[in-house]
Amino acid sequence: DAKTTQPTSMDCAEGRAANLPCNHSTISGNEYVYWYRQIHSQGPQYIIHGLKNNETNEMASLIITEDRKSSTLILPHATLRDTAVYYCIVRPWDNYGQNFVFGPGTRLSVLP
Amino acid sequence: DTEVTQTPKHLVMGMTNKKSLKCEQHMGHRAMYWYKQKAKKPPELMFVYSYEKLSINESVPSRFSPECPNSSLLNLHLHALQPEDSALYLCASSQDPYGLNEKLFFGSGTQLSVL
Repeated sequence: DAKTTQPTSMDCAEGRAANLPCNHSTISGNEYVYWYRQIHSQGPQYIIHGLKNNETNEMASLIITEDRKSSTLILPHATLRDTAVYYCIVRPWDNYGQNFVFGPGTRLSVLP
Repeated sequence: DTEVTQTPKHLVMGMTNKKSLKCEQHMGHRAMYWYKQKAKKPPELMFVYSYEKLSINESVPSRFSPECPNSSLLNLHLHALQPEDSALYLCASSQDPYGLNEKLFFGSGTQLSVL
């Protein structure tokens, strides 16, 4: 299974862009990169996912390097409510096709 | 309706009790999941149901017994738990168990305390 590594924690000033990196150097060709976040004591929330092209939605942008060995989640204008643990997941596809495995994640603190 | 509803939100039980956690979704999703999350740790996958059949059991002790009565409901039956089983139990669903391009939708969890 492709593993991910993320910084343990990051700070970001309110109103600035938050750039959260993720390394996934053993990713396979058909594995998607997913980002979820978890605000304290709530269930994880889907943010965005992609295969090889950059993706953007109303919450964030996902930049995947050409070799697919790393990616960056960008929150363009961070607010205090974006303080959360952010999980980068590379979803392995096995016979059952559904295994989402969470790593330790990055604890993002947005500071006023 | 994009909600996954879990009940109860909080549960305190003794080691000899039997209790059940419930999860419901009405999005027509055909895969449902149980995760366990200890404080300050990431969620850990416990079980996956695909088309109402158990497809993944991550070596979970038998004191946890999952059940999927229909495509909208998922239960987790608890019996003879230990204090170390105290955790946040999260339910999730996704549309197609075998799709590569799937999203998980999570409930808000049941915070379980075993005394």
